[in-house]
Amino acid sequence: SQQGEEDPQALSIQEGENATMNCSYKTSINNLQWYRQNSGRGLVHLILIRSNEREKHSGRLRVTLDTSKKSSSLLITASRAADTASYFCATDISTDKLIFGTGTRLQVFP
Amino acid sequence: DSGVTQTPKHLITATGQRVTLRCSPRSGDLSVYWYQQSLDQGLQFLIQYYNGEERAKGNILERFSAQQFPDLHSELNLSSLELGDSALYFCASSTRQGSSGYTFGSGTRLTVV
Repeated sequence: SQQGEEDPQALSIQEGENATMNCSYKTSINNLQWYRQNSGRGLVHLILIRSNEREKHSGRLRVTLDTSKKSSSLLITASRAADTASYFCATDISTDKLIFGTGTRLQVFP
Repeated sequence: DSGVTQTPKHLITATGQRVTLRCSPRSGDLSVYWYQQSLDQGLQFLIQYYNGEERAKGNILERFSAQQFPDLHSELNLSSLELGDSALYFCASSTRQGSSGYTFGSGTRLTVV
């Protein structure tokens, strides 16, 4: 079973707009990570936020974590066509494995 | 190039056959993880090895097995293959406990016909 669920399942926006993806999970975590996957390719690690952190930034990415609601969000600002990909949240609950969510498919139109 | 090497990239085989997927982790990483990605099941964790020892098991079928060798490369063996085993199989590696994220290989696409 999936630990995390992303919302929305799919998102289409124009270049320059912001994209927000949400992730909800079920159990306590050590950290939460976001990954990107271009079609049929390997996943790329984007950002990690620890359970005692509330917000983290990396370039155009902003991640928030609310452990009381067991949820996280990923914001991509000023999106580009090259941001088109699937985005997954992954929860580290035991340090031995990451459990991935269902993913959000982001399409950015030029 | 992520530093994690998976071979082969593509594999087409018949039902009932056995295949071996190979993974070389990023230099310095001791942990290797195997994941299966299919359209209906998403990304499923299969198994983890740390420095040659099995550390965690996920939704890995009994027909599947894996090992990590002294040089830290890992192999995933899939036997008695069924149509439903068709999927992308990813290997990832990390530092000791993955606290800085995983590095994924580009995957092996397995098609069972």
